[in-house]
Amino acid sequence: RKEVEQDPGPFNVPEGATVAFNCTYSNSASQSFFWYRQDCRKEPKLLMSVYSSGNEDGRFTAQLNRASQYISLLIRDSKLSDSATYLCVVNTGTASKLTFGTGTRLQVTL
Amino acid sequence: DADVTQTPRNRITKTGKRIMLECSQTKGHDRMYWYRQDPGLGLRLIYYSFDVKDINKGEISDGYSVSRQAQAKFSLSLESAIPNQTALYFCATSDSGGGQPQHFGDGTRLSIL
Repeated sequence: RKEVEQDPGPFNVPEGATVAFNCTYSNSASQSFFWYRQDCRKEPKLLMSVYSSGNEDGRFTAQLNRASQYISLLIRDSKLSDSATYLCVVNTGTASKLTFGTGTRLQVTL
Repeated sequence: DADVTQTPRNRITKTGKRIMLECSQTKGHDRMYWYRQDPGLGLRLIYYSFDVKDINKGEISDGYSVSRQAQAKFSLSLESAIPNQTALYFCATSDSGGGQPQHFGDGTRLSIL
């Protein structure tokens, strides 16, 4: 089983739609969680950290379920500029080493 | 100016050549990392360093070496490049302490012929 698993997609949605991505992680000792965004052939960029209580940043909402070892990202009112690959990232409990999922690709269309 | 700078941005070279990829940062972070990214495999950690002269192997360190001579610089070397080292390479930095996010450079696209 992979340490971090994501549905690779692609998710094709129209502008204005709401889309949700899920991610599961295998190490119950994991302590920190992040969503990164990566545009084609560019560097990953931090989108948001994920907190136990859930957190929101504008149109983006992240949720963490420790019991199910599950993380989600909800994007509301999708924009064309949201088209990218979204990486689920987990601190596996060893110092600052992060484990990256392979990403979920989102394509927002007119 | 970018906080994490990688050079070169692109490199094409032949099998057996020695190659060095450079990373420098102005973020003042103690921790630095090298990753490679291959299609369908995601980012995989090659080496990481928590301080000057501190070096730790990641999950795929074979065939690579690193040097951390200064806080702001972390270089990755391929002593004798082989075609399956063709990939996109990223350097990243993070602040000290557990659970810190990492910040990435623009990447180096490396092709080994």
